Amino acid sequence: AQSVSQHNHHVILSEAASLELGCNYSYGGTVNLFWYVQYPGQHLQLLLKYFSGDPLVKGIKGFEAEFIKSKFSFNLRKPSVQWSDTAEYFCAVNVVDGYGGSQGNLIFGKGTKLSVKP
Amino acid sequence: DTEVTQTPKHLVMGMTNKKSLKCEQHMGHRAMYWYKQKAKKPPELMFVYSYEKLSINESVPSRFSPECPNSSLLNLHLHALQPEDSALYLCASSPRLAGYQETQYFGPGTRLLVL
Repeated sequence: AQSVSQHNHHVILSEAASLELGCNYSYGGTVNLFWYVQYPGQHLQLLLKYFSGDPLVKGIKGFEAEFIKSKFSFNLRKPSVQWSDTAEYFCAVNVVDGYGGSQGNLIFGKGTKLSVKP
Repeated sequence: DTEVTQTPKHLVMGMTNKKSLKCEQHMGHRAMYWYKQKAKKPPELMFVYSYEKLSINESVPSRFSPECPNSSLLNLHLHALQPEDSALYLCASSPRLAGYQETQYFGPGTRLLVL
């Protein structure tokens, strides 16, 4: 079965520090990749997504992610975090079948809690 | 507009109660999803509807009964729940189920407490 691993459970940074959150998936075929963010008390919001093309994708609020197919990774980065980035970050994968369609279920990683100290 | 709405925001129910959760979207999406999220855990898929037909049921107990009366509305009927069913129930929608490059958009969730 496919799975998604987020190795960092809790990351604590000071404001202006750089961020990189790891995400690895286990599936040898084609996938769609997503990062969602859940701010305290708020709902899941799409941060960015990768379907095809340029492996470096830019999302909202200055976040970007790089898809490295050979490493089955889709790490999230931000050069300088702010206190308002404090949230839970989820990586998710959606398998693309042989006909080019995506399977229905998003497979989520366990999430990484980011705490940014002012 | 990428809004999925869910009501109620909070729900407390006893183990003998019957209640329903409601989800609505007006984006013209034809796939809708129910997820369950326990505290400090990722969302887990429960059900998927595609064109108002149940497409995926992830072995969810029968005390959870989904319903899709029309393309904009998704309900989750609850009956005889257990305390371990307490969780955040998330609804999501996407343009299609098996289309290429589909993105799911999530609602704010209903926080359910079963006493």
